[in-house]
Amino acid sequence: GAVVSQHPSWVICKSGTSVKIECRSLDFQATTMFWYRQFPKQSLMLMATSNEGSKATYEQGVEKDKFLINHASLTLSTLTVTSAHPEDSSFYICSARAPGQDYGYTFGSGTRLTVV
Amino acid sequence: QKEVEQNSGPLSVPEGAIASLNCTYSDRVSQSFFWYRQYSGKSPELIMSIYSNGDKEDGRFTAQLNKASQYVSLLIRDSQPSDSATYLCAVKVLNTNAGKSTFGDGTTLTVKP
Repeated sequence: GAVVSQHPSWVICKSGTSVKIECRSLDFQATTMFWYRQFPKQSLMLMATSNEGSKATYEQGVEKDKFLINHASLTLSTLTVTSAHPEDSSFYICSARAPGQDYGYTFGSGTRLTVV
Repeated sequence: QKEVEQNSGPLSVPEGAIASLNCTYSDRVSQSFFWYRQYSGKSPELIMSIYSNGDKEDGRFTAQLNKASQYVSLLIRDSQPSDSATYLCAVKVLNTNAGKSTFGDGTTLTVKP
């Protein structure tokens, strides 16, 4: 079936540095991808909708200057956490709708970010 | 009121029993409904989608939708320990490619051997 590849799987970074997370749709094109954040034992929180060739749409309360999203091609979206702080430590997951999947999503494997 | 509500659980059933997971939603114009399974430390995976009132069966899974009651459920027959996970209900207003889904907080299911 369709696969959404997400890298890295985990990353540890120092406070104040930036981290880039990549999300790739394999064998299909995704004009829209979604970025979620999930804290331990909590549900998925939609951060933003990534649109190929245009600006991302951010959810209320998500800082667009801190969470930079780039969707430069039909198969790649990136999320950059800038000036990361310990409170940004979380599980970040991207998703896209794959062909033949009705209107549900295929999720990437997620990136566990730890800021120390 | 949350847009999508689920009992957080935990729900515990013995192996071989039927597990029943419930979800209610607030937006009457919602058209698409999904169940995702998320194992601890992993990302969610889509297991069922349903769009019309009634039941939809796929193997051991049955999704039930009642739009008048704004209620969607997931039944897991012959539950196995490998079914132990958090089940997320998701609702989408439009049957479109780009439209975003709204997720419930999830119900944690434990199937005891």
